[in-house]
Amino acid sequence: ETGVTQTPRHLVMGMTNKKSLKCEQHLGHNAMYWYKQSAKKPLELMFVYSLEERVENNSVPSRFSPECPNSSHLFLHLHTLQPEDSALYLCASSQDLAGWETQYFGPGTRLLVL
Amino acid sequence: AQKVTQAQTEISVVEKEDVTLDCVYETRDTTYYLFWYKQPPSGELVFLIRRNSFDEQNEISGRYSWNFQKSTSSFNFTITASQVVDSAVYFCALSEAGNSGGSNYKLTFGKGTLLTVNP
Repeated sequence: ETGVTQTPRHLVMGMTNKKSLKCEQHLGHNAMYWYKQSAKKPLELMFVYSLEERVENNSVPSRFSPECPNSSHLFLHLHTLQPEDSALYLCASSQDLAGWETQYFGPGTRLLVL
Repeated sequence: AQKVTQAQTEISVVEKEDVTLDCVYETRDTTYYLFWYKQPPSGELVFLIRRNSFDEQNEISGRYSWNFQKSTSSFNFTITASQVVDSAVYFCALSEAGNSGGSNYKLTFGKGTLLTVNP
């Protein structure tokens, strides 16, 4: 595997379900990000981790719970989601946490909440 | 606060036409970084280019070229002789060095331009 991978690619869940999104980067990067992309809206930064420490929680509801067990893996745990949470969830990584670092994105997980 | 505006929501061209995607940005930092990403229907954001604010040289990569003009705060992207495979949403993005007190890692994206290249 190369680059940034995400699983699953598609997910349908009910509002009472609990599921997790997984992201893995094979680039040796130290920073990882979760973004939400909804239709007709700009990408929204949700969480940022640097060296497994969370440095950003961008006013995200508690029904989204991130976890970064090591610098290569990032999870987004989902529970009691709402239909408006349906979106494309993108994971990204960068070498370090700095403005000049390029963020490399995974293919995303398309989430549908029924 | 930083802001990126992509005024063109959708563009449709015929194959082999040249097309320019506009990007205008706002920032208070004197040092900043501009990016272009391509998002095909598969969803993955593909990195195309990064430009530093202190390097105003235009860049060409194959059929792609970028025109960076600090005087007009613009970073436009031109595809020459467009092809059907160029059909995608293109995003312009900005990050700052943090000199004005803001975050130095947040990437602010424009809303994207949907480019459709018809055969």
